[in-house]
Amino acid sequence: GAVVSQHPSWVICKSGTSVKIECRSLDFQATTMFWYRQFPKKSLMLMATSNEGSKATYEQGVEKDKFLINHASLTLSTLTVTSAHPEDSSFYICSARDTRWVETQYFGPGTRLLVL
Amino acid sequence: TQLLEQSPQFLSIQEGENLTVYCNSSSVFSSLQWYRQEPGEGPVLLVTVVTGGEVKKLKRLTFQFGDARKDSSLHITAAQPGDTGLYLCAGAGGGNKLTFGTGTQLKVEL
Repeated sequence: GAVVSQHPSWVICKSGTSVKIECRSLDFQATTMFWYRQFPKKSLMLMATSNEGSKATYEQGVEKDKFLINHASLTLSTLTVTSAHPEDSSFYICSARDTRWVETQYFGPGTRLLVL
Repeated sequence: TQLLEQSPQFLSIQEGENLTVYCNSSSVFSSLQWYRQEPGEGPVLLVTVVTGGEVKKLKRLTFQFGDARKDSSLHITAAQPGDTGLYLCAGAGGGNKLTFGTGTQLKVEL
């Protein structure tokens, strides 16, 4: 089956620092990846759509300068949380859309971010 | 804005009971997916339904897509503790984006 990995699985950082999260599709190519944020016991909230070779598309209310997205290859997208603050603490999940199956997304295991 | 409301929000049942989770929207979706998520992990795809009225079975789980492709249901027969988790429906719309439902937290006790 399709596998998506995320690294790191959890990270603790100081307020004001930047944190990079990687999302990789391990056994398929993904021209499109998605980044979600999830609060405890809540559903997933789409932050942005990451497109290989072009700029990411951000959802309304998501600051593009705060959450930098780079999709440099067909198997890797990165999310950088810049100048992190405690309110950025959350569970970040990526998904990758298999180019062969347009409507199916495969999710990574998530990254738990705690900003002190 | 497309919204997907799930009901119930929380469900705690005993092993062996049956249950149904509903996913409703006023919007039409080209397809709808169901996921189960366990704490600290990403959602795992259970099924994708595409055709209005479609019914899919996955062991003790039965999924149905509404005729108008606006709603869906998940029925679990003889629930087991291993079924415990957060169940999420998600509708596929424009731009290949998924709109996630509000979620149903299921707990199955011995």
